[in-house]
Amino acid sequence: EPEVTQTPSHQVTQMGQEVILRCVPISNHLYFYWYRQILGQKVEFLVSFYNNEISEKSEIFDDQFSVERPDGSNFTLKIRSTKLEDSAMYFCASNLRDRAVGELFFGEGSRLTVL
Amino acid sequence: RKEVEQDPGPFNVPEGATVAFNCTYSNSASQSFFWYRQDCRKEPKLLMSVYSSGNEDGRFTAQLNRASQYISLLIRDSKLSDSATYLCVVNIAGAGSYQLTFGKGTKLSVIP
Repeated sequence: EPEVTQTPSHQVTQMGQEVILRCVPISNHLYFYWYRQILGQKVEFLVSFYNNEISEKSEIFDDQFSVERPDGSNFTLKIRSTKLEDSAMYFCASNLRDRAVGELFFGEGSRLTVL
Repeated sequence: RKEVEQDPGPFNVPEGATVAFNCTYSNSASQSFFWYRQDCRKEPKLLMSVYSSGNEDGRFTAQLNRASQYISLLIRDSKLSDSATYLCVVNIAGAGSYQLTFGKGTKLSVIP
């Protein structure tokens, strides 16, 4: 069964450092997303990406965040200068264009710990 | 005002029981509704979409009441493997938006 894969599974970093989280969406999917979940809290939308550009972003996705699809397979989330409050599980997701907008396939997540 | 609100839980039920979860959403323009399940420290996984006429998938039945802005999930004949957190998910902004809004989830524990 095709799946979304994410690396690293866990990253520990110092406050102020840059972090890049990587995702390989399902190969024939066209829409890509990042969500995050702070421990014990709800899953929150960060950004959606289609046709090599951001289609929508939330208030959380400020200038410290960026996304990129550098090649035909990877989809990355960069946090330029991490803050303590960026500690969370970051989920990448993808889906097909002709699927309902909410039928997402999530990766297993990358846990980010900012010290 | 919370955008997607769910029963606080937790629900502890014996195997074989029927359990129902409720969810309300704040924006009447919302168009797409889903139930996801999330196991502890795992990713959310789509359980089922919720259609206006209501829909069933095996032991799971989802219903939507647009007038009351209310969604429900019914699980019949609960199994141990149903133990998880159930997330109510809504495309709050409606058509043209890809953003999903998640509820905080309701935890279900099915007890032998």
